[in-house]
Amino acid sequence: QQPVQSPQAVILREGEDAVINCSSSKALYSVHWYRQKHGEAPVFLMILLKGGEQKGHDKISASFNEKKQQSSLYLTASQLSYSGTYFCGTERGAGGTSYGKLTFGQGTILTVHP
Amino acid sequence: NAGVMQNPRHLVRRRGQEARLRCSPMKGHSHVYWYRQLPEEGLKFMVYLQKENIIDESGMPKERFSAEFPKEGPSILRIQQVVRGDSAAYFCASSPPLASGRQETQYFGPGTRLLVL
Repeated sequence: QQPVQSPQAVILREGEDAVINCSSSKALYSVHWYRQKHGEAPVFLMILLKGGEQKGHDKISASFNEKKQQSSLYLTASQLSYSGTYFCGTERGAGGTSYGKLTFGQGTILTVHP
Repeated sequence: NAGVMQNPRHLVRRRGQEARLRCSPMKGHSHVYWYRQLPEEGLKFMVYLQKENIIDESGMPKERFSAEFPKEGPSILRIQQVVRGDSAAYFCASSPPLASGRQETQYFGPGTRLLVL
């Protein structure tokens, strides 16, 4: 089941903030966030694990609400380089065991203007 | 430390030909994942492999597609008798061994853009 991202697109001016949400209908083990620029590979930003552990990026933060099966990515004081498509990848697991496979949302297009 | 490598970066095939896409994982990574991305769409999981084993191929089409990750050498995604609908970007990602109870980051390669004429 593909997670649902919202909004589908965001337009910002430099210095503004944005929040991108990712919701799943299934219980999640972890949530991974990636940014992809046009014609390039997805670049890892953040991983959030069940139980609250977070690995991250110094300019971007995220939260993971396990009960609601939702994650949010927070981009503050946006820069031109933040432009791109943001994907969340969700992983299901059971009994504390990771399955490895990620199911990606449809993406959120973020455009930052000067 | 080289990242995930994929080749070729661009591949053009005529309908009915075979396409072979290669992926060399990062050093120390023993897990490989293949994803397909259609224009303006998200990444769709295809297959998850470890050395000499297919762990999960639930995203692979039942016909014409196969994948392997031999003991030596790169992982190969093979598409037989390509059709126009196979045109897409194919990304490979790799991760270290999954320790019990933890997830590891998947690092993506630059992708292979397949165009079927």
